[in-house]
Amino acid sequence: NAGVMQNPRHLVRRRGQEARLRCSPMKGHSHVYWYRQLPEEGLKFMVYLQKENIIDESGMPKERFSAEFPKEGPSILRIQQVVRGDSAAYFCASSPQAASSYNEQFFGPGTRLTVL
Amino acid sequence: AQSVTQLGSHVSVSEGALVLLRCNYSSSVPPYLFWYVQYPNQGLQLLLKYTTGATLVKGINGFEAEFKKSETSFHLTKPSAHMSDAAEYFCAVSANQAGTALIFGKGTTLSVSS
Repeated sequence: NAGVMQNPRHLVRRRGQEARLRCSPMKGHSHVYWYRQLPEEGLKFMVYLQKENIIDESGMPKERFSAEFPKEGPSILRIQQVVRGDSAAYFCASSPQAASSYNEQFFGPGTRLTVL
Repeated sequence: AQSVTQLGSHVSVSEGALVLLRCNYSSSVPPYLFWYVQYPNQGLQLLLKYTTGATLVKGINGFEAEFKKSETSFHLTKPSAHMSDAAEYFCAVSANQAGTALIFGKGTTLSVSS
């Protein structure tokens, strides 16, 4: 039973380019969460999605960042016109129902984004 | 606003010694508290969680944590460290009452020597 898959595991972009991070949730999971870990910081919540819906994007930067979770295929976190400050580890988690005190979030291994 | 502070970015113990990883939190709502472990090149794995009820929570691999409201703490302990416990440990608190968003501490790297 495969866990949460993220790809690529490492991504290098130059300033101004676009970064696309992919997350395939565990089988049977329809809820996806994205977190960002800046250097020397803890993971910070970015966005919570269900299939075709953004439920909570309170942690997303207002500009350049977007996320989607289409009916078919992986969830995508897109960062347009990347800047050096976007360099971080981006983690995806999934759950079969909405995470709560009773429903655990299962995490992927993360994508390490480096902006040159 | 919710926040988590993990005291000590690195902790080193000898095999067989007590493991104590410290976590303090700040929360404006009744907190849900979590400890996750991350092994190299793997995702975060849930060790244990506190939601309501008993304040001493037992988790996997012999770990346990005690919720102390008066101290706003949720320290992680294990009586006897194994080499396989070497990893990075994250404490987290729910950012909302629904528990759909978590706020993590910066992590503590545990080293175990023989």
